[in-house]
Amino acid sequence: DADVTQTPRNRITKTGKRIMLECSQTKGHDRMYWYRQDPGLGLRLIYYSFDVKDINKGEISDGYSVSRQAQAKFSLSLESAIPNQTALYFCATSDGTGGLETQYFGPGTRLLVL
Amino acid sequence: QQPVQSPQAVILREGEDAVINCSSSKALYSVHWYRQKHGEAPVFLMILLKGGEQKGHEKISASFNEKKQQSSLYLTASQLSYSGTYFCGTDVSGGGADGLTFGKGTHLIIQP
Repeated sequence: DADVTQTPRNRITKTGKRIMLECSQTKGHDRMYWYRQDPGLGLRLIYYSFDVKDINKGEISDGYSVSRQAQAKFSLSLESAIPNQTALYFCATSDGTGGLETQYFGPGTRLLVL
Repeated sequence: QQPVQSPQAVILREGEDAVINCSSSKALYSVHWYRQKHGEAPVFLMILLKGGEQKGHEKISASFNEKKQQSSLYLTASQLSYSGTYFCGTDVSGGGADGLTFGKGTHLIIQP
């Protein structure tokens, strides 16, 4: 079984709809991240969390919110989806061991906002 | 601010060498390298910390010039499996406290 899972894998929604992307991990890591990837722009950090009570905004948090329901679960919400939020979204976890931390990415969720 | 990667794309024949560069305008604590194949998630390759410590795959080598805030990834005797997009991620605060900032990527195509 995959260590980092994302649901759904693909989603089509309409402008103005609220949607939630979910991420679960079995690696036992405290740190979790949400990124979006657009062609030619690389990966950009949306939100990150170092534990259940610690949520931090990343570079492009506007229009997004997150919830860390448990150590293993980190959800990303789009309160009112807009077409420029069409992108590939990745969840990642890391072990945070003194700087030599490796980020482990989920398979991604491809979102299309019409 | 995103680190700048160069080149944007490179095409090689199998067995040739490649160097991918990553440059930041900020003082860096560490540089991380990831490879992403089309339609897949990025996969960890290497971390380089200021001071010289590093962790990564045996067949991958990289350098980190702390004075210039530059890192280079060296791919020698390239194989078809090396094809993909390579991203560098930079950490300015140490221990990933502010997350990683990734470059736009370098597309590497290895031809037989």
